Amino acid sequence: AQTVTQSQPEMSVQEAETVTLSCTYDTSESNYYLFWYKQPPSRQMILVIRQEAYKQQNATENRFSVNFQKAAKSFSLKISDSQLGDTAMYFCAFISLSLIQGAQKLVFGQGTRLTINP
Amino acid sequence: KAGVTQTPRYLIKTRGQQVTLSCSPISGHRSVSWYQQTPGQGLQFLFEYFSETQRNKGNFPGRFSGRQFSNSRSEMNVSTLELGDSALYLCASSSGAASYEQYFGPGTRLTVT
Repeated sequence: AQTVTQSQPEMSVQEAETVTLSCTYDTSESNYYLFWYKQPPSRQMILVIRQEAYKQQNATENRFSVNFQKAAKSFSLKISDSQLGDTAMYFCAFISLSLIQGAQKLVFGQGTRLTINP
Repeated sequence: KAGVTQTPRYLIKTRGQQVTLSCSPISGHRSVSWYQQTPGQGLQFLFEYFSETQRNKGNFPGRFSGRQFSNSRSEMNVSTLELGDSALYLCASSSGAASYEQYFGPGTRLTVT
């Protein structure tokens, strides 16, 4: 079974600082996707960034980037120039491509509560 | 394009009752997944529907069921409600194509008293 672990329950940084959230996962599959989702106090889950396991290049979306280490099964999220609006729960998630073709089941970590202070 | 919508947003029920939650996916998306979010268990997968067929199911009792209609809208039903069913129920839609990205609705907050 796949598992996703986020070892940092809470983090807090000052506005404009850079912060890195950690995530490790366990799987025997070779084809999969990894995601970071953000859940602000409104509870709306928002997709932040995705990484295909077959791609060596780390994904980047504006201020958000990942450090994907496939051999180590590590998938960290870096937020640069953090903003007050980045305050949220951040979930790392995994989806395997080896299930029944097309079946899509996200496995989530427990989340990291990130607070950006002014 | 309109996002995923869920109704109702809030619901209060008593033990033993049943409840139906609704989810309308993004236009053109054919896959709908349901998740339960609680403080203790986190986010757990309930089931996924694609073209009116359940393709995958999580480890929940048979009291939890769902269906999908021809227009891709989905409903989730919980019968004989228990206090532990109190949770945020999230629906996510996906095109079903190779990106596997899932887009979430705002959720339905169910409180069982």
